[in-house]
Amino acid sequence: DQQVKQNSPSLSVQEGRISILNCDYTNSMFDYFLWYKKYPAEGPTFLISISSIKDKNEDGRFTVFLNKSAKHLSLHIVPSQPGDSAVYFCAARSSGAGNMLTFGGGTRLMVKP
Amino acid sequence: KAGVTQTPRYLIKTRGQQVTLSCSPISGHRSVSWYQQTPGQGLQFLFEYFSETQRNKGNFPGRFSGRQFSNSRSEMNVSTLELGDSALYLCASSLTGGYEKLFFGSGTQLSVL
Repeated sequence: DQQVKQNSPSLSVQEGRISILNCDYTNSMFDYFLWYKKYPAEGPTFLISISSIKDKNEDGRFTVFLNKSAKHLSLHIVPSQPGDSAVYFCAARSSGAGNMLTFGGGTRLMVKP
Repeated sequence: KAGVTQTPRYLIKTRGQQVTLSCSPISGHRSVSWYQQTPGQGLQFLFEYFSETQRNKGNFPGRFSGRQFSNSRSEMNVSTLELGDSALYLCASSLTGGYEKLFFGSGTQLSVL
């Protein structure tokens, strides 16, 4: 049973426009969420995180929105750049679960020049 | 500050053999966790160690084991390798395993023939 889902396997966006990546979860015990960017055969790189006590967190071009009632989060990248092309994973953690993250299946973002 | 270091980078083994992978966390980080990435199952949590004690364990058979040393370095061992164990094994570290960033190494790509 997939507790974290990224329903779009891929997304194509024009350079300079907004990229919106979505993530849904089912476990109401999740209280901390993270987004990672990953290139093939490399480890994930941390982008941004959000605690369940917040509904928005910004860091430069990256903003994460959390809708707890809908159990949905999204990552906005504005403006998108060709270097943003990678696979993006959302991950969730339960309270008291240390670094036991549950990952979504990933969304491949392609930013076209 | 050096990042998470994993060795070896690539490994080829045959079925039935055993393998040991090594991870050196970021200096000062006491939590080390391991993840397996496969095309079919995505990123899955194996286990987490904190202060030399296993704190969390994922849903993997007993052939997968790990340990952490007093300097926070960690090893994971897979015994009696199966073809399905071919994967990218990722190590990640954080300060305490709380609400904080988790930093990943580049991984060890294991191929089982």
